[in-house]
Amino acid sequence: AAGVIQSPRHLIKEKRETATLKCYPIPRHDTVYWYQQGPGQDPQFLISFYEKMQSDKGSIPDRFSAQQFSDYHSELNMSSLELGDSALYFCASRPRGGKKDYGYTFGSGTRLTVV
Amino acid sequence: SQELEQSPQSLIVQEGKNLTINCTSSKTLYGLYWYKQKYGEGLIFLMMLQKGGEEKSHEKITAKLDEKKQQSSLHITASQPSHAGIYLCGADFTPLNDYKLSFGAGTTVTVRA
Repeated sequence: AAGVIQSPRHLIKEKRETATLKCYPIPRHDTVYWYQQGPGQDPQFLISFYEKMQSDKGSIPDRFSAQQFSDYHSELNMSSLELGDSALYFCASRPRGGKKDYGYTFGSGTRLTVV
Repeated sequence: SQELEQSPQSLIVQEGKNLTINCTSSKTLYGLYWYKQKYGEGLIFLMMLQKGGEEKSHEKITAKLDEKKQQSSLHITASQPSHAGIYLCGADFTPLNDYKLSFGAGTTVTVRA
């Protein structure tokens, strides 16, 4: 079965550089969520999209922006990277209006290292 | 998330033994999700509980929700090395259908042969 695809799996960037993370949801999933998991931390919600519109926003820095495209894939753009941005970034998808017991399906994550 | 407290933080269990992980919420729960994570990898959905008193099982894993205590427990029977990993509980604190999850800090499970 198709899963949530994230790319790249690993990314190394220098401070003040820019990074773009991509997420391809499961087919027919129209809602995408982004989470950030720092070393030894629990995942923190960043932002979510439904039908290409931002639907909710969490603790996402102003240096980050995200969007969802017509094919429902989403991109997280991170500028002026800081050392503290080093983390595992997860994308999750689900069909809006789907049964609540469906749960989220998470991708394998992108590990961003800022040096 | 400070709203969700998991215990214990970590545990080591002998293969074949049972184990229990607890997740306690300080807010009203509209859904409680259990995930498993291998170190540095994605989260694998285990099960979701929504109603007080609800209990679900999958293979050797059973989860229960105590609505009064706003607490869920995850119980693994006859643990195996494949059960090793980090178990995270995630909570839905809104009654809306479009929801984000708040996660607990996780419980690291080590299974010794």
